[in-house]
Amino acid sequence: EIVLTQSPATLSLSPGERATLSCRASQSVSRYLGWYQQKQGQAPRLLIYDASNRATGIPARFSGSGSGTDFTLTISSLEPEDFAVYYCQQRSNWPLTFGPGTKVDIK
Amino acid sequence: EAQLVESGGGLVQPGGSLRLSCVASGFTFSNYGMSWVRQAPGKGLEWVSDISTSGGGTYYADSVKGRFTISRDNSKNTLLLQMNSLRAEDTAVYYCAKARSWPPLYDQWGQGTLVTVSS
Repeated sequence: EIVLTQSPATLSLSPGERATLSCRASQSVSRYLGWYQQKQGQAPRLLIYDASNRATGIPARFSGSGSGTDFTLTISSLEPEDFAVYYCQQRSNWPLTFGPGTKVDIK
Repeated sequence: EAQLVESGGGLVQPGGSLRLSCVASGFTFSNYGMSWVRQAPGKGLEWVSDISTSGGGTYYADSVKGRFTISRDNSKNTLLLQMNSLRAEDTAVYYCAKARSWPPLYDQWGQGTLVTVSS
């Protein structure tokens, strides 16, 4: 099973600041990694698929990068609606796995 | 617009059974793999099971293998999850999700249905 580790666990930032979230895989997943945003009481929403492709309707301030074992989600300038929990997920091999999440909260 | 609506959750005793349903609309259901993902209260996301477009390919997390069965009825645009021998650790919100790729990432999610396993 591929284990995904996300860091930091919590990121405290102010609106307008840049957020950099990390996801590391225990073995290579090539570029088969996605990022989701989840707000309290809501279902997750796909932001980035296959490492760097924005999903439909996702604002350009969200970007993804990386390959192999190290991936980054960047939010260039935080909007008030971006404060949420972010999960990475690999689709390289079954069993599919999610990271434990990074909470982005307001400083 | 794609929509997924789950139902069938509720309170069940340990060892009991429950069947979850997910009705899809707004897209050609038979063209997409489908999945169940769960989230225990206050915890992260956990993949549960995937099913291919025809239903011929199914995949399960070790934690549910042998107890849960995923299936689909393409004529009714419906995804199912039969859950047997339920345990307290199966308590979670269960989400139905549509695959945008295979193996999947999920581009559409339902609102979730809560399953509580407790005596």
